[in-house]
Amino acid sequence: DTEVTQTPKHLVMGMTNKKSLKCEQHMGHRAMYWYKQKAKKPPELMFVYSYEKLSINESVPSRFSPECPNSSLLNLHLHALQPEDSALYLCASSQVIAAGADTQYFGPGTRLTVL
Amino acid sequence: RKEVEQDPGPFNVPEGATVAFNCTYSNSASQSFFWYRQDCRKEPKLLMSVYSSGNEDGRFTAQLNRASQYISLLIRDSKLSDSATYLCVVKFTGGFKTIFGAGTRLFVKA
Repeated sequence: DTEVTQTPKHLVMGMTNKKSLKCEQHMGHRAMYWYKQKAKKPPELMFVYSYEKLSINESVPSRFSPECPNSSLLNLHLHALQPEDSALYLCASSQVIAAGADTQYFGPGTRLTVL
Repeated sequence: RKEVEQDPGPFNVPEGATVAFNCTYSNSASQSFFWYRQDCRKEPKLLMSVYSSGNEDGRFTAQLNRASQYISLLIRDSKLSDSATYLCVVKFTGGFKTIFGAGTRLFVKA
């Protein structure tokens, strides 16, 4: 079962709101990723967790705060976002192999609109 | 120069055509290579990994040339359902850093 689930599917929030995006996988993967994808652009890596520890932070603004409470869950906490943060936020997971990471499987994404 | 570059597209081809996409990467520490496809407003889905020896999956063939730092994807006998954006993906040695190419849009017409 290669399934990554994300909630909510759509989210509209104001610039003063606090919200969270959730991602879950039950494939036993120990690496989980957040990507941001703007329209007609490729996904851009934001964060990577490996064995529940933050492994990569691609200089993402602090208004995005990731959290990995356990090996199956990944959250992205949002606060004081800007309209330009409106995008599709994709979660992915992969195995961790000796030389790095294996194939990534993506969730369906959360489409975020910041007003 | 972008770390991963792809043919800009779009490619408009008739059903049954053969179409090829290329992707170049600039970082020699690049380790793993993949082709993903992405349909409009959907998530990327793995099409195939790319191995040094080349690999084939039905109508799809992927090649990797490490010396010239490029990968390619060949689609034979195109179907209408192949219409999508094809993303070249590169991962780097020893870690999780992943870079997507900008994608090549393919339209297959009846």
